[in-house]
Amino acid sequence: DAMVIQNPRYQVTQFGKPVTLSCSQTLNHNVMYWYQQKSSQAPKLLFHYYDKDFNNEADTPDNFQSRRPNTSFCFLDIRSPGLGDAAMYLCATSINSAGYEQYFGPGTRLTVT
Amino acid sequence: AQKVTQAQTEISVVEKEDVTLDCVYETRDTTYYLFWYKQPPSGELVFLIRRNSFDEQNEISGRYSWNFQKSTSSFNFTITASQVVDSAVYFCALSLIPGTSGSRLTFGEGTQLTVNP
Repeated sequence: DAMVIQNPRYQVTQFGKPVTLSCSQTLNHNVMYWYQQKSSQAPKLLFHYYDKDFNNEADTPDNFQSRRPNTSFCFLDIRSPGLGDAAMYLCATSINSAGYEQYFGPGTRLTVT
Repeated sequence: AQKVTQAQTEISVVEKEDVTLDCVYETRDTTYYLFWYKQPPSGELVFLIRRNSFDEQNEISGRYSWNFQKSTSSFNFTITASQVVDSAVYFCALSLIPGTSGSRLTFGEGTQLTVNP
C-alpha cells in the first residue's frame, strides 16, 4: 500500500545533541510537510516543500532545518534540541498544495533528556 | 487571518449513541477547503473528508455524516451509533488556496471523543 513512513517511531536525544528525523513516501506526492505536535495541542506546521521549493513558516525557530534530497524523502534536522522541543513530529504529504488533503505518517515521538 | 474553533474539548458517550462534533471557522476568503481528521491513540492523523467552499451538499459515509453550512460558518461532524473504535481526537481544519497564506492547514484545537462500552 502507498503510504507515508516515518523513522524512527521513538527517538531519545540529549539536550543540545543534533538529531535527524526521516520521512519517506510512496505516494509520489509533490508536497511534503513537517508538523510539530505537543501534548493535547493541534499540529503546528514547521515548513513544507513543494517539489524542491522550501517554504518556512515565519515562527519556526532557526534550530529546525529540513532537507528534501528527492521526491520520496524528507528530513527534519534539529540542530540543538532543547527540552521544549520534545514533541511528536508528524510528516505529511499532499499531491498538490491547492487545498488537497494531506496524508500523515505515524509520527516520531522525540524525547529530550 | 483564518481561525477554526472546536468548542467541545472533550465528549464522552456510551456505545451506540449518536454524537455531533462542532466546528466553526472564520475566513475572509471566498474560496477555501474544510477537512476533518481523526487521530487515534496511535498518533497518526487519518484523513476523513474534504469539502470546498462552493459545495454545501451534506455528505454521508457509513456511520459518518457532515453538515456544511456557510450561513453559520460551520462544518459539523456526526457519528451515528458510535463504537468504541471511534474513540480518538478529531480535528477540523481549514485550508486556503495558494497565495500569501500558502497551503497550510489551520487546525482547530481538537475534540477528544471517548466512547464507552
